[in-house]
Amino acid sequence: GAGVSQSPSNKVTEKGKDVELRCDPISGHTALYWYRQSLGQGLEFLIYFQGNSAPDKSGLPSDRFSAERTGGSVSTLTIQRTQQEDSAVYLCASSRSSGTGISYEQYFGPGTRLTVT
Amino acid sequence: QKEVEQNSGPLSVPEGAIASLNCTYSDRGSQSFFWYRQYSGKSPELIMSIYSNGDKEDGRFTAQLNKASQYVSLLIRDSQPSDSATYLCAVKKRSSNTGKLIFGQGTTLQVKP
Repeated sequence: GAGVSQSPSNKVTEKGKDVELRCDPISGHTALYWYRQSLGQGLEFLIYFQGNSAPDKSGLPSDRFSAERTGGSVSTLTIQRTQQEDSAVYLCASSRSSGTGISYEQYFGPGTRLTVT
Repeated sequence: QKEVEQNSGPLSVPEGAIASLNCTYSDRGSQSFFWYRQYSGKSPELIMSIYSNGDKEDGRFTAQLNKASQYVSLLIRDSQPSDSATYLCAVKKRSSNTGKLIFGQGTTLQVKP
């Protein structure tokens, strides 16, 4: 079946502009995650959705970052007033329901490479 | 101390050999463990999940978990040049209401023909 899809695949933006990144999870997956990966850095968690709610937003680096999920499916990550340090690959993953118990396997999308000039 | 630690490598093995990749984690209550493979310029691809102590085999891959030692490993038998990639260990800590994974920095594997 179809995997996780993300758009755009690449985004170049000027410092100070807002950007929106989109994620379409695997059909039937109720859990959705955003991570980012900077050059030389590991995978860094940003936010976790279960359905449309976000019980864990602990990884969002500043209030310039926000995310929403609608219809228990598509999610949008918005970065306002982008800065050069926001340059990274933003990865979305989805899984079956996860929470306090074991975590089901997370499957990653191809990522969005964001470059802030 | 990092929450999930891996030797960055590179780990170099000849084609056909067994590659052994190791990972340690700090949260004793961690419950779920995953290995991902990431080719340069690509996103992580799930290889294995393991939840209980012991070994789990899938084709040429074997994951080993020892919760008492807080250690998880991945063995790749009959290594091929196509296995050359960065291998990421990921752990779900015992925490409330989140499925987030904590990733190690990754080990780069080079399989030489």
